[in-house]
Amino acid sequence: QKEVEQNSGPLSVPEGAIASLNCTYSDRGSQSFFWYRQYSGKSPELIMFIYSNGDKEDGRFTAQLNKASQYVSLLIRDSQPSDSATYLCAVRYNNNDMRFGAGTRLTVKP
Amino acid sequence: DADVTQTPRNRITKTGKRIMLECSQTKGHDRMYWYRQDPGLGLRLIYYSFDVKDINKGEISDGYSVSRQAQAKFSLSLESAIPNQTALYFCATSDRDRPIHGYTFGSGTRLTVV
Repeated sequence: QKEVEQNSGPLSVPEGAIASLNCTYSDRGSQSFFWYRQYSGKSPELIMFIYSNGDKEDGRFTAQLNKASQYVSLLIRDSQPSDSATYLCAVRYNNNDMRFGAGTRLTVKP
Repeated sequence: DADVTQTPRNRITKTGKRIMLECSQTKGHDRMYWYRQDPGLGLRLIYYSFDVKDINKGEISDGYSVSRQAQAKFSLSLESAIPNQTALYFCATSDRDRPIHGYTFGSGTRLTVV
């Protein structure tokens, strides 16, 4: 079973703080990992991808991957109210199958 | 114009009716997907197609069928709609040659079956 697990939240952080979102996956045959942001009633949009162990930074966002422990995380520095959304973790497997987690709802309070 | 266009945006239909959701894309991607999203369950794959002659079932294909009319068009049909098919439906595309670019999603179709 290819499972992708996320804490559904809601996760609430004050403006300017670091938001930490976590995701675990069950299948070691995973190739690449994605974070999507989804505003209420809108479609998911890709914000980060990572496929090597370690950290990948893009502006205020950092994705972290640990394949041995089968988890991937997303850090959002200097969180802004506009970051309030649901964040979906997605895992692509060797056969190109992509599975999504249920998402973590983040609220950034001014 | 949006890269991935879904029609209709919203639809209310009655139990037992046949309904088609349409998706078209201008990205030139070869791969297209249909997902449904339910609260607390995330995105679940219904069908996917890697090219015009390739159709594959996803994890929840029962009660649905698809047609890939052209590289740019992929439609989803509910042959006899039932209330538990009420959900938000997304079409997505991806490029075989750029897998790390992830998926591009359409704006979604909110379907209600009464």
